[in-house]
Amino acid sequence: AQKITQTQPGMFVQEKEAVTLDCTYDTSDPSYGLFWYKQPSSGEMIFLIYQGSYDQQNATEGRYSLNFQKARKSANLVISASQLGDSAMYFCAMRDTDKLIFGTGTRLQVFP
Amino acid sequence: DAGVTQSPTHLIKTRGQQVTLRCSPKSGHDTVSWYQQALGQGPQFIFQYYEEEERQRGNFPDRFSGHQFPNYSSELNVNALLLGDSALYLCASSPGLAGAWDNEQFFGPGTRLTVL
Repeated sequence: AQKITQTQPGMFVQEKEAVTLDCTYDTSDPSYGLFWYKQPSSGEMIFLIYQGSYDQQNATEGRYSLNFQKARKSANLVISASQLGDSAMYFCAMRDTDKLIFGTGTRLQVFP
Repeated sequence: DAGVTQSPTHLIKTRGQQVTLRCSPKSGHDTVSWYQQALGQGPQFIFQYYEEEERQRGNFPDRFSGHQFPNYSSELNVNALLLGDSALYLCASSPGLAGAWDNEQFFGPGTRLTVL
């Protein structure tokens, strides 16, 4: 069965610094997709970045980049130049046919 | 262009009651998925609707049912509410079948259900 593991319940980072949020996954499918979502206290899941298993390059979206290491089955999210507004829960997810399987999330707190 | 919308925002019910939650997908999207997010956990897939039919279902009891209308909007119904049904219910919409929506599964703001 497919599984997503996020081992960091909480992370702290100072404003303007970079931070890496860890995600490992388990799947036997050769084709899969990996996602990161941000969930502020308001509750809405905000799509950040996507990485396909066959993509040759790591995905980037503005200040977000995905460090995809296929052999290690890891898909870590890197946020550069952290901002106070980045404080939120962050979820890693994997596509399983037509649904998403989520990890337990990491709470990121950015301090001045 | 409106994104995914859900109603109501908050809801309080008592055990044994029934509840209906509503979702309107993003314009151009025809597939709606429902997720339950208990406090401190990641979202769990409930089911998905496409072409007005339930296409895939997660590990949830039959008390959870749904419907999709011709305009692609959807309802989630929960009967015989239990305390454990208290959660944030998220609706996600996407355009069509798997593989076509990898960058386009968007979530609504959710409905926070409290069962007393």
